[in-house]
Amino acid sequence: GAVVSQHPSRVICKSGTSVKIECRSLDFQATTMFWYRQFPKQSLMLMATSNEGSKATYEQGVEKDKFLINHASLTLSTLTVTSAHPEDSSFYICSARAATSGGYEQYFGPGTRLTVT
Amino acid sequence: GDSVTQMEGPVTLSEEAFLTINCTYTATGYPSLFWYVQYPGEGLQLLLKATKADDKGSNKGFEATYRKETTSFHLEKGSVQVSDSAVYFCLLDDMRFGAGTRLTVKP
Repeated sequence: GAVVSQHPSRVICKSGTSVKIECRSLDFQATTMFWYRQFPKQSLMLMATSNEGSKATYEQGVEKDKFLINHASLTLSTLTVTSAHPEDSSFYICSARAATSGGYEQYFGPGTRLTVT
Repeated sequence: GDSVTQMEGPVTLSEEAFLTINCTYTATGYPSLFWYVQYPGEGLQLLLKATKADDKGSNKGFEATYRKETTSFHLEKGSVQVSDSAVYFCLLDDMRFGAGTRLTVKP
């Protein structure tokens, strides 16, 4: 099946610095990618929807200037957490949508655990 | 806006017990509906899906029927196994997740 990778899988950064997380669709083209964050023992919260070549659409309450999303190609989307603070520590998951004959399939990355110290 | 409401749990069952996890949705139009599973330490995996009313998705002994009249997509399994212990998420096709239900199956 289709594979979505994320890099890095874990990152620790100091408060005030920025960190970039990559999401790649390895064997298919994804016109749409989604970014989520997941707190321990909680559900996934949709942060933004990213369409290739256009600006991301952010969910209400998500700061677009803090969580910068770039979807420059059909196989890569990046999430940059700017001026990170401890409250940004979380598990970030991306998903990519692949077109199929029956509509589409959605594939999820393994997630990136961000710890801000 | 569109949303999905899921029974939160946690749910603890004995092996071979019957499982139902409720999921209802609010949406304009006719969304596709999905169940995803997250095993301990692993990423999300698609369990089953349904794209239109009365569709039944099934996989690994799990089933869910898309019921437009009750706006529901409840997940069922007739006989759970210890290996089914995981967190189950209901998902609407605008990519909004339900709260997740943690299932623990005891031998």
